[in-house]
Amino acid sequence: QSALTQPASVSGSPGQSITISCTGTSSDVGGYNYVSWYQQHPGKAPKLMIYEVTNRPSGVSNRFSASKSGNTASLTISGLQAEDEADYYCSSYTRINTLVFGGGTKLTVL
Amino acid sequence: QVELQESGPGLVKPSETLSLTCIVSGGSFNNYYWSWIRQPPGKGLEWIGQIYYTGITNYNPSLKSRVTMSVDTSKHQFSLRLSSVTAADTAVYYCAKEVSVGSGCALDMWGQGTMVTVSS
Repeated sequence: QSALTQPASVSGSPGQSITISCTGTSSDVGGYNYVSWYQQHPGKAPKLMIYEVTNRPSGVSNRFSASKSGNTASLTISGLQAEDEADYYCSSYTRINTLVFGGGTKLTVL
Repeated sequence: QVELQESGPGLVKPSETLSLTCIVSGGSFNNYYWSWIRQPPGKGLEWIGQIYYTGITNYNPSLKSRVTMSVDTSKHQFSLRLSSVTAADTAVYYCAKEVSVGSGCALDMWGQGTMVTVSS
């Protein structure tokens, strides 16, 4: 299974909005509503931010939102804050009952 | 609040078998899928596989020939064995819990991770 495709890096200024894309195939992202997004700060375990394409776990800020169109999922962070600077990973369930991650995107808050 | 803690040797020799255990505390163990994920230094996340409390497993096809997962419901723990390791298996290994069965392997609780180095 091939990793999902994410941009290596994105950046934005405080208060702005950014969007991170995650592209897969019809065998994963496009075939199921099982896309998740994770935030990872250096030296820390990943934190689930979004699951089942659009759902936010309890405690996750509503500044984080997500969507999917065809084989591409997207994570949007609005009102960018310094604490949002981290690596972000998407993942998707696949047709062979496995999980595949994206390569990760480094978000820099300018 | 469920907590997960990985344990195992931090150093494994090439060609030997890496063995890790994840102890789950503070919540229910049954009725969940439990996953192993790894992250080589400076690189991205790689899903290794998952095990249901009944012992049903799903593995990453790229690692399937070398991976074995097991579960001990009485001890609320599950384990990973990765055979014939090489330097490419050097990584931080995480265990994690799925949100619920049918959530498409969304992982809402993670251990802190344990660094495993493969070196002679």
